[in-house]
Amino acid sequence: GDSVTQMEGPVTLSEEAFLTINCTYTATGYPSLFWYVQYPGEGLQLLLKATKADDKGSNKGFEATYRKETTSFHLEKGSVQVSDSAVYFCALVNFGNEKLTFGTGTRLTIIP
Amino acid sequence: DARVTQTPRHKVTEMGQEVTMRCQPILGHNTVFWYRQTMMQGLELLAYFRNRAPLDDSGMPKDRFSAEMPDATLATLKIQPSEPRDSAVYFCASGLDGAYEQYFGPGTRLTVT
Repeated sequence: GDSVTQMEGPVTLSEEAFLTINCTYTATGYPSLFWYVQYPGEGLQLLLKATKADDKGSNKGFEATYRKETTSFHLEKGSVQVSDSAVYFCALVNFGNEKLTFGTGTRLTIIP
Repeated sequence: DARVTQTPRHKVTEMGQEVTMRCQPILGHNTVFWYRQTMMQGLELLAYFRNRAPLDDSGMPKDRFSAEMPDATLATLKIQPSEPRDSAVYFCASGLDGAYEQYFGPGTRLTVT
C-alpha cells in the first residue's frame, strides 16, 4: 500500500537558519503530495501541495518539489522564524482515492 | 473565511459514558473525514463520507464507535461506552470530491477518566 516516510524529529534550529525536512513516499500510480502544518492546540492546515512530477509547491516562504525519480517531496525554507515552530506532516493521496496517507510528523522548534 | 467547526472543543467524561462530537463541514464541501490523533499512534483515519454516504469506516472500533451525517451540514462521531484508551484529539476535515485537499477543524480533545 501507499506510505510516507518522514525525517525523524524533533528538529531544533536557530532563527534564520535553513530548514530541510525530508519526506519520501511509496505509492502506485501518480499521487498528489502535500505538506500540512499543525500549530500547538490547532488542527492541521494545508501548507503547500504539488500534483505532478517536477511541480514546486510554495507558501509562506516554504517550498517543496515533487521528485518522481527519487520519490521525494522535501520541505525547505531559507530562513526560519520562531513562528514556524510547529509539527509538519507530509502526505499523499492517490488519484481516485480521497484518503490521505500521512507521515508521522516532524516537530520543529525554532529558538531565538 | 470558511472553516470547519467542531464542538465541543474539550470534553472530560467518565468511563462508560456516551460521548458525541459534532462537526460542521465547510459549506459546499461533500467529503467529510474523522481522524483521531494520539502521541503513540499519530493520525488515524476513523471514517469518511462522500455526499453523506459512509464510504470507509474500517479504522473505527465498530463495537463502540459510530459515525453519521444526518444532513450535509452536520457530521457526528459517537462513542458508547467510552473507555480511557479513547482519550485523544478527534479531528474532522472536509473537502471537495476530486480536489484532494482536506480542511481540518480545530479538534475535540477528549479525556476519559
